[in-house]
Amino acid sequence: KNEVEQSPQNLTAQEGEFITINCSYSVGISALHWLQQHPGGGIVSLFMLSSGKKKHGRLIATINIQEKHSSLHITASHPRDSAVYICAARLETSGSRLTFGEGTQLTVNP
Amino acid sequence: DTAVSQTPKYLVTQMGNDKSIKCEQNLGHDTMYWYKQDSKKFLKIMFSYNNKELIINETVPNRFSPKSPDKAHLNLHINSLELGDSAVYFCASSHFSSGRLNEKLFFGSGTQLSVL
Repeated sequence: KNEVEQSPQNLTAQEGEFITINCSYSVGISALHWLQQHPGGGIVSLFMLSSGKKKHGRLIATINIQEKHSSLHITASHPRDSAVYICAARLETSGSRLTFGEGTQLTVNP
Repeated sequence: DTAVSQTPKYLVTQMGNDKSIKCEQNLGHDTMYWYKQDSKKFLKIMFSYNNKELIINETVPNRFSPKSPDKAHLNLHINSLELGDSAVYFCASSHFSSGRLNEKLFFGSGTQLSVL
């Protein structure tokens, strides 16, 4: 069992829908990252957060430290949001290493 | 201007060969990483350097050797390549501020390594 788990593994949505991707982890963390991997393979860091909520454009990331859970929300989804979204946590048991979730493949249809 | 650049983008080679992947960042970061992404798209840390000093060395075969000539460069040398080394390798960098490795990561575009 991976220490960082994401759900769902695959998600298909219609353009305009509100999307939520979840990430849960098993031990305390010092930080959690949300990454986006484009179909071409490049990886972009979307957010790094250790508490609360961050917003950038149509993307919102939240984290609940007590519940060991983070969510990535996309409002008014668009086909260009189609990508793999990966959460990665710096677990307190793993020093400076990041532990990655397995990713969520998001497809937004027009 | 690419912030984190790695070369080559594609590398096709025969088993047993020795190859290198180069990475350079122009962000002024002091920490650089090598990650491996397997066929299932799962990312895993291989190495991390802070100010040219190795700080993370995961359990990877000693055929893999990172080399950091300066803070802006972290190269990955792979000796005696094996079929199982086929993967995408990503370089990344971040800033280690006040001893906390909790800064945003910047990734290179990846190197697709295919060992035949």
